[in-house]
Order: sequence, then C-alpha cells, then structure tokens
Amino acid sequence: GAVVSQHPSWVICKSGTSVKIECRSLDFQATTMFWYRQFPKQSLMLMATSNEGSKATYEQGVEKDKFLINHASLTLSTLTVTSAHPEDSSFYICSARGVREVSPLHFGNGTRLTVT
Amino acid sequence: GQNIDQPTEMTATEGAIVQINCTYQTSGFNGLFWYQQHAGEAPTFLSYNVLDGLEEKGRFSSFLSRSKGYSYLLLKELQMKDSASYLCAALDSNYQLIWGAGTKLIIKP
Repeated sequence: GAVVSQHPSWVICKSGTSVKIECRSLDFQATTMFWYRQFPKQSLMLMATSNEGSKATYEQGVEKDKFLINHASLTLSTLTVTSAHPEDSSFYICSARGVREVSPLHFGNGTRLTVT
Repeated sequence: GQNIDQPTEMTATEGAIVQINCTYQTSGFNGLFWYQQHAGEAPTFLSYNVLDGLEEKGRFSSFLSRSKGYSYLLLKELQMKDSASYLCAALDSNYQLIWGAGTKLIIKP
C-alpha cells in the first residue's frame, strides 16, 4: 500500500529556533500534500495545502511566514516552523494524495514538536 | 456552511458490535472516508464510499446514504485494539476533505 514517511518523529527545540519537518511519499507521486496540526484530544486542523511546484494555500488564521511550506517535487514536501514558541508545541501530521482527487489521503506518522 | 457530525465518544464491550454514525452537509459531494486514529498516532485509512450501500472489509463495514447525508462505520467482533478515535471525512465539490471531530471508541473487557 501507499506509504508516507515523515521525519522527524519527535523534536524538542528552544524558543526562537526553527524546525524543519519532511514528508515523503515513498511509492507514489503525491500531487497534493496537506499539513495538519492536532492538539491533544482535539480534531485534525488543516494548516495548508500544497501542490507540487506552486505556492501553498494556507487556511485562515495560519501564518504563512511562520509556517513555511515547500513542495519542490512530487515526492517531497517540507514544513518549517520558524521562530518557534511554546504555543507551537503540537502534533504535526502530513498527508499525501495521489493523482486522482478521490484517492484516499495517506498520512505520515506525525511529528511531535515540543518548544521549550 | 459545511459540517460533519459524529458522536464524541462511545463505549462498547469486547466481542460485541458497534455502529458509529456520521452525518454530513457539504457543498457538493465526492465521497466519504473513514479513518482510525490511535492516541498519539496519525490516522490510517479504513474505507471510502461514494455510492449508496454497504461496503464490507473484514470486521469493518461502511455504509452510505447520499440522499440522507448519512454514513456509518460498523465494527464487528470488537477487540481491545479497536479502542481508538474514528474520523469521518467528506470530500466536497472542490475535492477538499471536511473532517469530523472524531468519535472516541472505548472498548471494555
């Protein structure tokens, strides 16, 4: 089945530093990738949608200058949390969809970010 | 507006059957997904329905009624490992996924 690899699984960083999270589709071409954030006991919250080779579309309330998304190839998207603060601590999950728009989303294993 | 409703929490007994309901209101409709999410983990795909009717996949089945804007996930022969959150998500006319808040399923021995 389709596999999405997300790295790192967890990261602890100091306030003010930046963190990059990678999301790779291993056995299919992901024309669209999605980045979600999930706080404990809450539902998934879509942050942004990225299509290969174009700028990401951010959801309302998500700062594009703080959460930089790059989708440089059909198999790789990255999310960089810039100048991280403790309130950015959360579970970040990427997902990827293949060519067909009704393809199911396949999720990475998520990255647990803790900002101290 | 677009909306997905599903119960917040359900409890069932090991070995029993449980049905998790989901109602949706979306701008257009291109199908409905069910995902399973264990605590601290990412969601995993369970099923996709776009036509009316029941789709069976082992112990799990998913049903869709487009006219009623309604779906359910049926879990049979419940096992302790089925304790998780179950997320319902509808694909709208723009192929955007609209997510429900999830149903936390607690399985008791």
